[in-house]
Amino acid sequence: ELKVEQNPLFLSMQEGKNYTIYCNYSTTSDRLYWYRQDPGKSLESLFVLLSNGAVKQEGRLMASLDTKARLSTLHITAAVHDLSATYFCAVDPYRAGYGSGNTGKLIFGQGTTLQVKP
Amino acid sequence: SQTIHQWPATLVQPVGSPLSLECTVEGTSNPNLYWYRQAAGRGLQLLFYSVGIGQISSEVPQNLSASRPQDRQFILSSKKLLLSDSGFYLCIGARMNTEAFFGQGTRLTVV
Repeated sequence: ELKVEQNPLFLSMQEGKNYTIYCNYSTTSDRLYWYRQDPGKSLESLFVLLSNGAVKQEGRLMASLDTKARLSTLHITAAVHDLSATYFCAVDPYRAGYGSGNTGKLIFGQGTTLQVKP
Repeated sequence: SQTIHQWPATLVQPVGSPLSLECTVEGTSNPNLYWYRQAAGRGLQLLFYSVGIGQISSEVPQNLSASRPQDRQFILSSKKLLLSDSGFYLCIGARMNTEAFFGQGTRLTVV
């Protein structure tokens, strides 16, 4: 059974600090997603990581993927209050070994709730 | 671009009442469609998925059912709601080689 585990599940940090959220998954896949969810809202796509060693950055967020270690990280640089939200990683387990294509059958991590304090 | 319309956004229902949540897809055809549920403070759990009209796969045993009467319509139902059915329900669509696209979600509270 595919498992996707995030660490930590809750993170309270001061503005201006750096931190990293980790996402481990238990099967081969080379397509990993990061999403943001604000309270009561749907998911917003942040990053799609498609290959080993992929690194993407948007503002204060940077995501990377190590398919050999089955690990993705979401790094937060100089956090600001607006980044407070819940962050999910997700894996499409059918991507690897079945040819190309995303099936959409996403397996989500538990989510990391980030609280940035002024 | 493909979009999902999901409604209602919020729903309060008494225990034992029926449920019908609907999502419709625009901007693409033959998508895979998925219903996920997020219990309070938890991650997203896959409930059902469909690869075509009339094709439904259930991921977990539960008090809910799903149907796909048309290519772009996916419905989540229950005959009698339980308190444990409360949560945030999300309809997700996907096509091969494209990113998944999301409905806006339905917050269901069973009282």
